[in-house]
Amino acid sequence: AQSVTQPDIHITVSEGASLELRCNYSYGATPYLFWYVQSPGQGLQLLLKYFSGDTLVQGIKGFEAEFKRSQSSFNLRKPSVHWSDAAEYFCAVGAGDYKLSFGAGTTVTVRA
Amino acid sequence: GAVVSQHPSWVICKSGTSVKIECRSLDFQATTMFWYRQFPKQSLMLMATSNEGSKATYEQGVEKDKFLINHASLTLSTLTVTSAHPEDSSFYICSATRRVAGMRNEQFFGPGTRLTVL
Repeated sequence: AQSVTQPDIHITVSEGASLELRCNYSYGATPYLFWYVQSPGQGLQLLLKYFSGDTLVQGIKGFEAEFKRSQSSFNLRKPSVHWSDAAEYFCAVGAGDYKLSFGAGTTVTVRA
Repeated sequence: GAVVSQHPSWVICKSGTSVKIECRSLDFQATTMFWYRQFPKQSLMLMATSNEGSKATYEQGVEKDKFLINHASLTLSTLTVTSAHPEDSSFYICSATRRVAGMRNEQFFGPGTRLTVL
């Protein structure tokens, strides 16, 4: 079975600074990887996804993620954070049956 | 495109009553729908997988008689929490997959339903 680890429970970053959220996955085959963002009391919005091909994936809102098979990682990055990026971020891995396993999430706080 | 709605967005009920939550794919036909629950400050836990016209497949530890899932059409799945108790209070989120030829199905998430059982 697949699993996801997000090592950072909470990250605080200054507005305008760069952000990197870590994600490590465990899956025996080629993984399908996703990053979602959730604002309080809201559903999930897909930021980006990796199925195959170029290992550097561009997403919405200026986010990107890099798939590194050797490290079993899919870290999310943004060069310059905006106050509106404060939210909960979830990394997920999908299997062939299309089920998703989510990480525990990382809460991002943006300070002025 | 690929919009998923849930109704109601929030519901408060008395202990012992049943609550039905609807999940609709508004602009596409969903071959499969998933139901998740999320406790405060925690991740999403998959409860069950629902395929149109067949019985739902429940994850280990999820009571199928407690959480009744019906997927009567390609655009609607319902989750009924029967004889709800305070421990069932949670945020319930559904997702729907859209079949696209030659591409891996992607899950589109609804906005969630906040259930509070008094």
